[in-house]
Parts: sequence; structure tokens; C-alpha cells
Amino acid sequence: NAGVTQTPKFRVLKTGQSMTLLCAQDMNHEYMYWYRQDPGMGLRLIHYSVGEGTTAKGEVPDGYNVSRLKKQNFLLGLESAAPSQTSVYFCASSWGLEVENEQFFGPGTRLTVL
Amino acid sequence: QQPVQSPQAVILREGEDAVINCSSSKALYSVHWYRQKHGEAPVFLMILLKGGEQKGHEKISASFNEKKQQSSLYLTASQLSYSGTYFCGTESPARQLTFGSGTQLTVLP
Repeated sequence: NAGVTQTPKFRVLKTGQSMTLLCAQDMNHEYMYWYRQDPGMGLRLIHYSVGEGTTAKGEVPDGYNVSRLKKQNFLLGLESAAPSQTSVYFCASSWGLEVENEQFFGPGTRLTVL
Repeated sequence: QQPVQSPQAVILREGEDAVINCSSSKALYSVHWYRQKHGEAPVFLMILLKGGEQKGHEKISASFNEKKQQSSLYLTASQLSYSGTYFCGTESPARQLTFGSGTQLTVLP
């Protein structure tokens, strides 16, 4: 099992460009999450999904869109990148409805917006 | 609202003990603890559910005081491999995690 994978691992964008980050999990998890991590800020939830075809806003959703067309994939889109979106992005997944809702994280995508 | 972790950083010698605290002002479903090494993804350590639970994981254990909305992570006889940043995550009834800003733990030989 690969667990949670993310592509790409690194990306540099210019202000105003768009891109999509792909997260895939092979654990048949219901819930998936996108976080961003900035120095000294911990992890902040951008968007999450509680099942195929569903999405919901997290703590910092502005400037991002997501889609979950297939249960195993969760896509994060930046329509018009801004320097403030320079960060490390982590995807995570979990069973969701289990009593102990442990989250499994992907390796991260380091994004720089110039 | 982000849970508050303390201390922000701690430096230990191998074999010493440490305590990391996490407190929240919101009603909690559970508290999660994760460890992240530099340049890597966070790794799950343990979950504590409501009810004043305590758990142990090798020489790492934790407690959850539901009334005070506080959790503490105890690292005993620390090893070099314990170095990293420790995050608590408070889980809401809607199963969303809100992470603290982390405690950077450095274990020296």
C-alpha cells in the first residue's frame, strides 16, 4: 500500500498562474483533507471532504477550490496564485466515522509563488 | 480557535523527561497528538477521547482532562529519535482537527 501520495512534490508559480495539486489514497478512506503549513503556524485546514462528491470549507478556504470526483482522489486548485499562498501543502485522509479518527498524511507539496 | 501549546520549544539531554501541554477553549470530541520531523509529514502518535483518558505508547504517554479541556503529552527517558515538532490537534464533533502551533523538541546526546 502506498498510503497517501501527493503530486507534485515541488512547484514554483508566478503570480496569477493556476495549478492543481493531486492527492490520492489507497486505504478506502471516506474523509480527506487539505492543509497548509506555514512556519510557526502549525497546520491549517483549507478544505475537506466527507465522501465522494462532497466538499466543505475549512479554516482558510479563500483562494482555493477542491473537488472529489472519485473516492480515492482529492484535488486542490489555485485559480490565480498569490505570494501569500507560498506554503507547504499536506493532504490527509481518515476513516471519518470511526471512534478514533486518526489522520494519515501525505509527504507534502512545497509551493513557491513568485 | 487554535489550541494553545506550551512550551514552544524544549531542549533535553538523552534520558531526560518532558511534558508538552495543549489547552482549548472549545468543546472537544478528542485530542490527537502528532510528531513531525523536519521536511517530513506529521506522523500520528495517539488519540485521547473524552472521559479523562490516559494512553501509553512505549515511553510516550498522554492524558486528557475533559473538564479543563486540556491534554498533556509525557515523554520519559527521551531518545535522540524523539526530536521533532509535536502538534496537538483538537477534534470537533464534526470531526475537524484544529492544530496547535507546535512544540519543537530537541534531544541532545
